[in-house]
Amino acid sequence: EAGVAQSPRYKIIEKRQSVAFWCNPISGHATLYWYQQILGQGPKLLIQFQNNGVVDDSQLPKDRFSAERLKGVDSTLKIQPAKLEDSAVYLCASSLDPGLAGRGTDTQYFGPGTRLTVL
Amino acid sequence: KQEVTQIPAALSVPEGENLVLNCSFTDSAIYNLQWFRQDPGKGLTSLLLIQSSQREQTSGRLNASLDKSSGRSTLYIAASQPGDSATYLCAVRGNEKLTFGTGTRLTIIP
Repeated sequence: EAGVAQSPRYKIIEKRQSVAFWCNPISGHATLYWYQQILGQGPKLLIQFQNNGVVDDSQLPKDRFSAERLKGVDSTLKIQPAKLEDSAVYLCASSLDPGLAGRGTDTQYFGPGTRLTVL
Repeated sequence: KQEVTQIPAALSVPEGENLVLNCSFTDSAIYNLQWFRQDPGKGLTSLLLIQSSQREQTSGRLNASLDKSSGRSTLYIAASQPGDSATYLCAVRGNEKLTFGTGTRLTIIP
């Protein structure tokens, strides 16, 4: 079974530039997550999609970050304009619909991440 | 707001020793607790998932326990090997999302 795919793996940009990340979840997984992991910290949820709809984006800096999941499969996360503090690893994860798997047993599967450096 | 703490932040042990990693959380209203492994430059791999109604889970040399009432979990690694060197993260599943700890960086010394 193919895992969660992410691209690019690495990105270096200047501050105030724009950047976009792409994620392809495991086939059949209805739920998709984007996390930000700053060096030395645990991942922090930015946004969660259930199929096409947003379930939770309470920690997404909406003035500069945006995300979409067209057709309920692939997703893109965009930062515009980037700031120095956006330097982090951006992780995408997917899971089965909790309504099917049950919230007690659903496991999230993570992609390898995109390491963003903002200079 | 759920807060997850992991102690110690880093740990070095000689190969072959048994070891325990600790995780504590502030809100006991959880659906499950998971332990993940993260290797440098890579994503997270789920090791064990303990449902809120369970007390422990085992997989090979790994055993995780959960005491929901006290807000604590431990990950026990038996007969450690150099390949166990990685960062170990615990995460608790609340109503809609996972909340992660900051991790324990484990180094096994050959």
